[in-house]
Amino acid sequence: KNEVEQSPQNLTAQEGEFITINCSYSVGISALHWLQQHPGGGIVSLFMLSSGKKKHGRLIATINIQEKHSSLHITASHPRDSAVYICAVSEGYGGATNKLIFGTGTLLAVQP
Amino acid sequence: GAVVSQHPSWVICKSGTSVKIECRSLDFQATTMFWYRQFPKQSLMLMATSNEGSKATYEQGVEKDKFLINHASLTLSTLTVTSAHPEDSSFYICSAGMFYEQYFGPGTRLTVT
Repeated sequence: KNEVEQSPQNLTAQEGEFITINCSYSVGISALHWLQQHPGGGIVSLFMLSSGKKKHGRLIATINIQEKHSSLHITASHPRDSAVYICAVSEGYGGATNKLIFGTGTLLAVQP
Repeated sequence: GAVVSQHPSWVICKSGTSVKIECRSLDFQATTMFWYRQFPKQSLMLMATSNEGSKATYEQGVEKDKFLINHASLTLSTLTVTSAHPEDSSFYICSAGMFYEQYFGPGTRLTVT
């Protein structure tokens, strides 16, 4: 069993739909990251969470430390949101010196 | 916000030559830098962790003599792929750590012919 699991692995949505991607982890963490990667592109950091909820534009990320679960929501989805979304956790409590453990990613395709 | 750059963004080299990739934190000092490798349609694989002024810590299975990492300052780390082979062709990504954040570079696509 992977230490970080994402669901779904693939997601197709219609433009305007509300999208949720889930991430569960089994290790103690200091932070959880949501990353975005467009096809052939680099990694963009969307959020870093250690508790609660963060919002940036149409993106919302939540984390429940007790349940070891995080969700990434996209409101009013748009075709430009099509990308791979990756959940990664910073294991342990050393902060920025911690290695990240990556989920396998969720491939999102938003159709016009 | 914190910005990490990589140079070059893409490179093509002949088999047997060496290639150097730079990773710079532009507006902050990074306590730690990480180097990742990504194969097509796969997730990132950590290659090594480097701290300024000390030797890099390599992950199991990563050849340290082939992938030379130098972390000369708090804003610059370099990865040199020595005697490159076609199987080294990949997308190499660095990240720079500060406090609890990690900031990713845009990546370098290496093609070895």
